[in-house]
Formats: sequence, C-alpha cells, structure tokens
Amino acid sequence: DGGITQSPKYLFRKEGQNVTLSCEQNLNHDAMYWYRQDPGQGLRLIYYSQIVNDFQKGDIAEGYSVSREKKESFPLTVTSAQKNPTAFYLCATKGPRVSSGNTIYFGEGSWLTVV
Amino acid sequence: AQKVTQAQTEISVVEKEDVTLDCVYETRDTTYYLFWYKQPPSGELVFLIRRNSFDEQNEISGRYSWNFQKSTSSFNFTITASQVVDSAVYFCALSEASGGSNYKLTFGKGTLLTVNP
Repeated sequence: DGGITQSPKYLFRKEGQNVTLSCEQNLNHDAMYWYRQDPGQGLRLIYYSQIVNDFQKGDIAEGYSVSREKKESFPLTVTSAQKNPTAFYLCATKGPRVSSGNTIYFGEGSWLTVV
Repeated sequence: AQKVTQAQTEISVVEKEDVTLDCVYETRDTTYYLFWYKQPPSGELVFLIRRNSFDEQNEISGRYSWNFQKSTSSFNFTITASQVVDSAVYFCALSEASGGSNYKLTFGKGTLLTVNP
C-alpha cells in the first residue's frame, strides 16, 4: 500500500508534555512538510524538509521541532512550549517538479487534543 | 508575498444544482502553480487539479471543471449536477515556482460545500 502514513490518528496530550507525530512515506519524494489546520484558518506551514538531514522553519515553527534522518520519515514533535497545540496536523510530500509540477500530496492527518 | 482568497466561507445547495467555488490569488511571480484540494469529513486532503501559469486552457473532468483567468487572477471551480458525496471543504492553493520559494503552498481558508439531498 503506497502513500503517506501518519500516526496516531488521534492523540491526547496533557499540558506540559511533548508529543511526537509520525509521518512515513514510500513515494520516494525528497520534500516533506508539516501543516497545521485550525478551524476557519486554512492550513499553515510549520516545517519543511527538501532533503535528508536538512529542514527549514515555516510560518509557525515556534513550539515545534522536526528531524529528517531518513528520506522516508519526517516526525514532528509538539513541545510544551507550543501554547495552543490543539489542532489537526497534516504531513505532506512533494514529488519532482519536472514530473509533478510542485504538487503536494497529503497524509490522512493527526488530531491532537490537549487535555 | 503570495495570497489566496476564497471569499465564500460556506455554500449550501440542493443535489443536482451546479455550484461554483471562487478563488482569487495574488503573486508577484510570473511562473506559478494553482491547485484545488478536497477535504472530506475524514480529514485527508485529496488533490483535484494543478494548473501552471502558462496554461490558461479551461479543464473539465467529469462533473468538475476549472476556469483559470490570469486577467482577473482567478481560478474558479465548478461542480455540475452536484451530489451529496461532493460535500466537503474545498481549498484553493498557490505555489510559486521560481527561486527558493517553490517549496511553499499557500492555501485559501477553504469553502465548506454542503449538498443536501
């Protein structure tokens, strides 16, 4: 089964805890992204990685951290410094520009709720 | 800076009606891509279409059609003979293609389409 796999689908976090959301892909895409979705605000970019061992901050990186040790994996850690972490988190990948024209494909998302 | 505006927050139609979702964009780049995504209640964003800035030809795919007009910076999406399964949030998005910013997809805030039986 190919594509982008996010886990867990639902996650509850106590205040002050760090949590890590998993994102795995078998599309052989170089670029990977994390977006956050809040009601009525569309999607906002948290972090992105264009290649293994490299990543860049997006528009709302504060309180989040990532790693890109393998091409297939781009986990997102929501730290206790993130003041309002309750949201829907979407992982995405992008294929080569020549063949896919910057099309970004998304996983099924993870719901994070702070309790 | 790039920006995407979807002025319609919510639209409600009765099944079999045609419906058009509006999208207006802003960019200083001459080369860019425009996208539409569908987000059903399950949450996953489903890619529908990509257009590049050099191709203004309208496109039809089954009941879906897209009208790209550079003169008005619009990329509207029409669903013909809507069905209940079309109920979802639809996002328009823009990606600039030059320089170091070709990674970034800027989204509109989405339009919630409800198709009633």
